Amino acid sequence: EAGVAQSPRYKIIEKRQSVAFWCNPISGHATLYWYQQILGQGPKLLIQFQNNGVVDDSQLPKDRFSAERLKGVDSTLKIQPAKLEDSAVYLCASSLRTRETQYFGPGTRLLVL
Amino acid sequence: KNEVEQSPQNLTAQEGEFITINCSYSVGISALHWLQQHPGGGIVSLFMLSSGKKKHGRLIATINIQEKHSSLHITASHPRDSAVYICAVRSPNSGYALNFGKGTSLLVTP
Repeated sequence: EAGVAQSPRYKIIEKRQSVAFWCNPISGHATLYWYQQILGQGPKLLIQFQNNGVVDDSQLPKDRFSAERLKGVDSTLKIQPAKLEDSAVYLCASSLRTRETQYFGPGTRLLVL
Repeated sequence: KNEVEQSPQNLTAQEGEFITINCSYSVGISALHWLQQHPGGGIVSLFMLSSGKKKHGRLIATINIQEKHSSLHITASHPRDSAVYICAVRSPNSGYALNFGKGTSLLVTP
């Protein structure tokens, strides 16, 4: 069974630029999560989708971050414009249903200069 | 103050030693997760607990709901166990979201 795929693996941008990350969850998984993990911290949930609907985006900085899962399968997370403090690993995870075991992708490491 | 506290923050052990990592939380929970994160970022879910004890190979996870405390034990530790171990809780108050601790960085030396 293929795992959660993410791309790119690494991205370096300058502040005020835009960046987008892509996630393809495990086939059949209805729930998809985007997390931000700053160095030395645990992951922080940015947004959770159930199929193509948003379940929780309370910690998503909506002035600069957006995410979509239009067809209920893969998802994109965008930052526009990026700030220095957005430097982090962005992790995507999926689960068969909400509150079941989450399977994590390898993450995208973002560096904002 | 984070709702999930882990100790120790860093741990170095010699191969073969018995290792314990602790997690304390301050809210009522519906489930507690232990996860392993290797260098490079990949996270693997080890256990999901709501009571008692679970064992998988050399890993044992226990939880005491009354004391709001969980431990992850590694028996006969091996250098390949070197990773960051993260505790996360799911609270009815936070809906479906997991609240993560900062992680315990474990290094097992030969």
